[in-house]
Amino acid sequence: QQQVKQSPQSLIVQKGGIPIINCAYENTAFDYFPWYQQFPGKGPALLIAIRPDVSEKKEGRFTISFNKSAKQFSLHIMDSQPGDSATYFCAASRGSGANNLFFGTGTRLTVIP
Amino acid sequence: DTGVSQDPRHKITKRGQNVTFRCDPISEHNRLYWYRQTLGQGPEFLTYFQNEAQLEKSRLLSDRFSAERPKGSFSTLEIQRTEQGDSAMYLCASSLDPSGETQYFGPGTRLLVL
Repeated sequence: QQQVKQSPQSLIVQKGGIPIINCAYENTAFDYFPWYQQFPGKGPALLIAIRPDVSEKKEGRFTISFNKSAKQFSLHIMDSQPGDSATYFCAASRGSGANNLFFGTGTRLTVIP
Repeated sequence: DTGVSQDPRHKITKRGQNVTFRCDPISEHNRLYWYRQTLGQGPEFLTYFQNEAQLEKSRLLSDRFSAERPKGSFSTLEIQRTEQGDSAMYLCASSLDPSGETQYFGPGTRLLVL
């Protein structure tokens, strides 16, 4: 059972566009929601993270929007660049015990110059 | 310290052989995690250490898998009697914060079982 559902599977945008990647979860025990960026052959790199007590967080060109009642969160990439072409994963963790991350299935983003 | 390191980066083995991977976490990170990532999927949790103690294991970690972190620093993951279904990227992550939620990943070890 996929604990975090992610869409779309792939996304192509023009340089300067604003790709949006969406994630949804069911487990209300989740209280930490990070986004990771992964390039081919590399490990995931932490981009930005949010907690349910805020509805939006911005770091540089990356913004997370969080809707606690809908149990959904999304990543927006402002002024996207070809160097942003990568696979993006949303994740969630419970804040207790192992606090292991539950990942979405990933979105492959391509930014066309 | 430049981050989490893993060795080897690639491993090709024949079915039935044993393999061992090593992870060196970021210095002073007391939490260490192993994940497995198959093609087109997100990483899936395998096991976690708090210092040298292995505190949780996923049901994905069959009895052919064993992990150790003998001195609370580096960790090893061994797979015995490898099967073709074990082919995947094995990722290690470490965390300093007490909750373990901010995890930093290594580059992974890509395993191919022929």
